[in-house]
Amino acid sequence: DVELVEAGGGLVQPGGSLRLSCAVSGLSISAYWMTWARQARGKRPEWLASIKQDGSEKNYVDSVKGRFTISRDNDRNSLYLEMNRLRVEDTAVYYCGAAGLDYWGRGALVTVSS
Amino acid sequence: EIVLTQSPDFQSVTPKEKVTITCRASQSIGNKLHWYQQKPDQSPRLLIKYTSQSFSGVPSRFSGSGSGTDFTLTINSLEAEDAATYFCHQSSSVPQTFGQGTRLEIK
Repeated sequence: DVELVEAGGGLVQPGGSLRLSCAVSGLSISAYWMTWARQARGKRPEWLASIKQDGSEKNYVDSVKGRFTISRDNDRNSLYLEMNRLRVEDTAVYYCGAAGLDYWGRGALVTVSS
Repeated sequence: EIVLTQSPDFQSVTPKEKVTITCRASQSIGNKLHWYQQKPDQSPRLLIKYTSQSFSGVPSRFSGSGSGTDFTLTINSLEAEDAATYFCHQSSSVPQTFGQGTRLEIK
């Protein structure tokens, strides 16, 4: 079975930083685009960023461009999201997705609050 | 940005009923439209990819159709476990976007 487990969420003050990681098992991520998405409470999911198999291409939604960085380590079968200059409106459950968004992790809660 | 609009927002249905949820895109997205089911406090789960391809392990009562700008998710013979919110999602262009969701309540 494919399993994705996010880690690194928590409470951070506005302007702060967090780094999320996503460990994948049951699937070799080297064959797939990988994705980060988030969902604020009671809202629809929001696609944030995707990264190509070899890391050579990355796409971002405008609201996080320049603040968030997606990266991957195919040898560790893991995906990462570096989040800087966090805002209150970034508060959400953050999900990693494999093979586009065929598979989703359980999510990591990020709360940005003073 | 491509806007996806689902209808209805909410539907209350009885078991064994047939349910149809629609998703309209603000511009043509070919077949790059996917459907997810989300239950409370769970992650979204892929049901249908590329308009009509059933994902592994998804019951056969779920099916998808459409092309271009108009898409449909059909649930035949609804079961109690199908109570959830359903989202459509397009991967045709960046930024990828989701519909606002359709909440299904089972009477």
